[in-house]
Amino acid sequence: DIVMTQAAFSNPVTLGTSASISCRSSKSLLHSDGITYLYWYLQKPGQSPQLLIFQMSNLASGVPDRFSSSGSGTDFTLRISRVEAEDVGVYYCAQNLALPWTFGGGTKLEIK
Amino acid sequence: QILLVQSGPELKKPGETVKISCKSSGYTFTNYGMNWVKQAPGKGLKWLGWINTCTGEPTYADDFKGRFVFSLEASASTASLQINDLKNEDTATYFCARPMIATRAFAFWGQGTLVTVSA
Repeated sequence: DIVMTQAAFSNPVTLGTSASISCRSSKSLLHSDGITYLYWYLQKPGQSPQLLIFQMSNLASGVPDRFSSSGSGTDFTLRISRVEAEDVGVYYCAQNLALPWTFGGGTKLEIK
Repeated sequence: QILLVQSGPELKKPGETVKISCKSSGYTFTNYGMNWVKQAPGKGLKWLGWINTCTGEPTYADDFKGRFVFSLEASASTASLQINDLKNEDTATYFCARPMIATRAFAFWGQGTLVTVSA
């Protein structure tokens, strides 16, 4: 299975500043079709997860462009510019390259 | 508007069986597979598997082979998850999730169903 690794907590950030969340996969998520099958989800307190980013760098519908994502085949970063109070929650990376689909353990965004 | 509406919370004893439903609306049910995801209390997300809503063929992650059963009632646009011989460690919220076309992303999620297993 592909293992996805995330830190449990982010570095504390002040509202209005930027935050970065990292994720590492145990195997390259770059497929021969040129697509990197890395996804980012946000689970706000008491809610279902919601899709933020698909195929490493594509913003899902309705997601503010304050969110962006980049990476290589195995190391990925989600960036949030101008963090807002509504961004608090747990951020999960996930891979859909190979079965079983797997998630990282989640990173809780810490606000100062 | 695409909606996935799951059945309500369940309280069961060890050894019993539970069946959770996920009713879809706003799209053609058989055009997209349905995935199931587990979240134990205070823990992360774990993929159980998915069911092909066109053929009814299920695919289970290794940890969920044996006691977990995916099924369909396609005429009612409903997917179900049945867990047999419940164990304490099955206590979790279970989500159904539908992918977005051509991306494999879980774009649409049910609200989750909490299953509590306790003697």
